[in-house]
Amino acid sequence: RKEVEQDPGPFNVPEGATVAFNCTYSNSASQSFFWYRQDCRKEPKLLMSVYSSGNEDGRFTAQLNRASQYISLLIRDSKLSDSATYLCVVGRSDSARQLTFGSGTQLTVLP
Amino acid sequence: DAMVIQNPRYQVTQFGKPVTLSCSQTLNHNVMYWYQQKSSQAPKLLFHYYDKDFNNEADTPDNFQSRRPNTSFCFLDIRSPGLGDAAMYLCATSREEGERNFGPGTRLLVL
Repeated sequence: RKEVEQDPGPFNVPEGATVAFNCTYSNSASQSFFWYRQDCRKEPKLLMSVYSSGNEDGRFTAQLNRASQYISLLIRDSKLSDSATYLCVVGRSDSARQLTFGSGTQLTVLP
Repeated sequence: DAMVIQNPRYQVTQFGKPVTLSCSQTLNHNVMYWYQQKSSQAPKLLFHYYDKDFNNEADTPDNFQSRRPNTSFCFLDIRSPGLGDAAMYLCATSREEGERNFGPGTRLLVL
């Protein structure tokens, strides 16, 4: 079983739609969680950290469910510019320097 | 602007011909990382430097070496590139155990 698993997609949604991605992780002792965004042939960039209480940044909402070991990302009112691959990232409990990246979920927002 | 710079952006080498990829940063971050990312896959950590302390991932092939002569620069040496080493190589930095700041990557092609 992979340490971090994501549905690879692709998710094709119309502009203005709400879309949600889930990610599961295998290490129950993991302590830090993030969503990164990666545009085609570019480097990953931090989208948002994920906190235990859940957090929101504009149209983006991240949730953590420790009991079920999954994190989610919700994008509301999706824009064409949201088209990218979204990487789920989990930090190991023994060292936050050890981040494990998921393979990513590809999103295409259609006009 | 403070940033992570990678050179070259594209590198073509021949099977078995040594190649060196470079990374520099103006962020003054103490941790530097090298990741390998193949198409539609997660970035895979090869090694990282915590200050001058080198940390190799257990499954990183011996073919890959790294040098960090000072805080700002880090190099990835591939001693005998094989066809399977063709990938995007991403350099990243962080302050202690914070978020990763990625460079734009070097895309390596092995002929």
